[in-house]
Amino acid sequence: DQQVKQNSPSLSVQEGRISILNCDYTNSMFDYFLWYKKYPAEGPTFLISISSIKDKNEDGRFTVFLNKSAKHLSLHIVPSQPGDSAVYFCAATYNSGGSNYKLTFGKGTLLTVNP
Amino acid sequence: KAGVTQTPRYLIKTRGQQVTLSCSPISGHRSVSWYQQTPGQGLQFLFEYFSETQRNKGNFPGRFSGRQFSNSRSEMNVSTLELGDSALYLCASSLAAGDEQYFGPGTRLTVT
Repeated sequence: DQQVKQNSPSLSVQEGRISILNCDYTNSMFDYFLWYKKYPAEGPTFLISISSIKDKNEDGRFTVFLNKSAKHLSLHIVPSQPGDSAVYFCAATYNSGGSNYKLTFGKGTLLTVNP
Repeated sequence: KAGVTQTPRYLIKTRGQQVTLSCSPISGHRSVSWYQQTPGQGLQFLFEYFSETQRNKGNFPGRFSGRQFSNSRSEMNVSTLELGDSALYLCASSLAAGDEQYFGPGTRLTVT
């Protein structure tokens, strides 16, 4: 049972345009969501996060939107740059009691930004 | 500050063997998590350690085990290797539960 889904395995956009990466989740207990970026031969790098008490979080060119009723979040990159080309993972978590903490990841979306 | 380091970076083993992977977290980080990344399944959580205690475990068979030392360094062990264990094994550290995790570069394990 995949609790975090990234239904688009790949996305291609032109430099300067907006990139929108989508993520859906099924577990209503998730209350904290993160996006990671991964280049080949490197570990994932934290990009941006959002708590369930918010519906938007911005950091420079990156904005994450959360729609709790739809159990959907999206990452917007504006403007897209060739260096943004990477695999983007959506992740979710919740505090299951005590100090328990684990991230549940989607399968990732490969973003290609064409010059 | 040095990042998360993992050794070895690449490993080739044969079926039935066992393997031990090592992870050194960022200095001061006490939580270490392990993930398996495969093309078909993405990143899957293996287990998480905090102060030498396993606090959380994913849905992997008992062949996968781990431990954490008093200096927060962690090892994971896979016994009786199977072809399907070929994957990138990632370690991540964080200051405490709920903090952003910082990943190492991973260990690429190939089982032949």
